[in-house]
Amino acid sequence: DTGVSQDPRHKITKRGQNVTFRCDPISEHNRLYWYRQTLGQGPEFLTYFQNEAQLEKSRLLSDRFSAERPKGSFSTLEIQRTEQGDSAMYLCASSLAGTVFEQYFGPGTRLTVT
Amino acid sequence: AQSVTQLGSHVSVSEGALVLLRCNYSSSVPPYLFWYVQYPNQGLQLLLKYTSAATLVKGINGFEAEFKKSETSFHLTKPSAHMSDAAEYFCAVKGEDNNDMRFGAGTRLTVKP
Repeated sequence: DTGVSQDPRHKITKRGQNVTFRCDPISEHNRLYWYRQTLGQGPEFLTYFQNEAQLEKSRLLSDRFSAERPKGSFSTLEIQRTEQGDSAMYLCASSLAGTVFEQYFGPGTRLTVT
Repeated sequence: AQSVTQLGSHVSVSEGALVLLRCNYSSSVPPYLFWYVQYPNQGLQLLLKYTSAATLVKGINGFEAEFKKSETSFHLTKPSAHMSDAAEYFCAVKGEDNNDMRFGAGTRLTVKP
């Protein structure tokens, strides 16, 4: 399978715990994006990498959130001290620079904070 | 700022009937527009995209969309609905910063037998 993969697919955690999600983009894609999707809404942009550089962060990304893409390949999104409001689907997407902004999405990680 | 508005959070059609999902955009520059489909517990799949070439864009699964600048619209259509078309559909516009996608709230399509 050469698509975008995410792990885990589901995560249940207690409030206050830390969680980390992983995204593996399509191998030749140098851009990687994180989105958050809450129930009944469209995805909202969180952050964006080009290669290993994190170039933009949304205001939605509070200081409890951190994302990395250390070698320009896979990325991790960590949420510290989770809150119930963090419950959502976290989507990763990747694209190739030079294409007309066509993003390919992974299946998402559904986070439930109890 | 770039944004899209999807009219109707839920559309229901009979199998074989025309599908029409509405999307209006707001953009300060010529927009790049997209339609994505999302099946339950899955990520988003690109249906089609408009990139300032032909105004009528054909996508996968028999869907197409027409860019109308005068109406600031990019409605999605399919002549004949199939049961497998039941899903959530999202219209999106490229953000002005060139780094993100702005999505609408989505339209849930139900197809009745």
